[in-house]
Amino acid sequence: EDQVTQSPEALRLQEGESSSLNCSYTVSGLRGLFWYRQDPGKGPEFLFTLYSAGEEKEKERLKATLTKKESFLHITAPKPEDSATYLCAVQVMSGTYKYIFGTGTRLKVLA
Amino acid sequence: GAVVSQHPSRVICKSGTSVKIECRSLDFQATTMFWYRQFPKKSLMLMATSNEGSKATYEQGVEKDKFLINHASLTLSTLTVTSAHPEDSSFYICSALFSGGYTFGSGTRLTVV
Repeated sequence: EDQVTQSPEALRLQEGESSSLNCSYTVSGLRGLFWYRQDPGKGPEFLFTLYSAGEEKEKERLKATLTKKESFLHITAPKPEDSATYLCAVQVMSGTYKYIFGTGTRLKVLA
Repeated sequence: GAVVSQHPSRVICKSGTSVKIECRSLDFQATTMFWYRQFPKKSLMLMATSNEGSKATYEQGVEKDKFLINHASLTLSTLTVTSAHPEDSSFYICSALFSGGYTFGSGTRLTVV
């Protein structure tokens, strides 16, 4: 069964304290891995798409990497405004294209 | 580009009534849209895939007679929660597929009282 697991479930960081979020997956027919940011009461906001192992993408304080089994979202010197839930999702081909979301990591950055 | 507008953002309805949620692609044509449900502190659960001009494909366990989906045009998909009950209270989010990937609406908080 296709599965996407994110860890940790919740993370509290001090401002400036770098860390990484993990997204591990067990799927067949991976077409892409996506990272999203979701603020409370809002829809997910697209961050990155990764398609192949070894690929990396960067945007401001965020950097996403991908291996054959997992993806990491590295947050360098986070600020309070980075506080949000970070979701990863994998796109698989199973008859039709399907999107499977992980459970998310709730990040809180303290000033 | 690739903006999806979802309305309403919040709705409160009485038990037994029906509620319609709209999802519009503003600057692109969306042949495929997706409807998700999200419980507090939980991830998005795919409810159904909506294809323009054809019947929606529902995920296992989702009642198609309760959650009616209509995708009558390339820019509009609607989700109607029929005969709503308190257990239908949730956050509903639509998503659309475009050339660059997926984009999401801002969500609808449904509260059934």
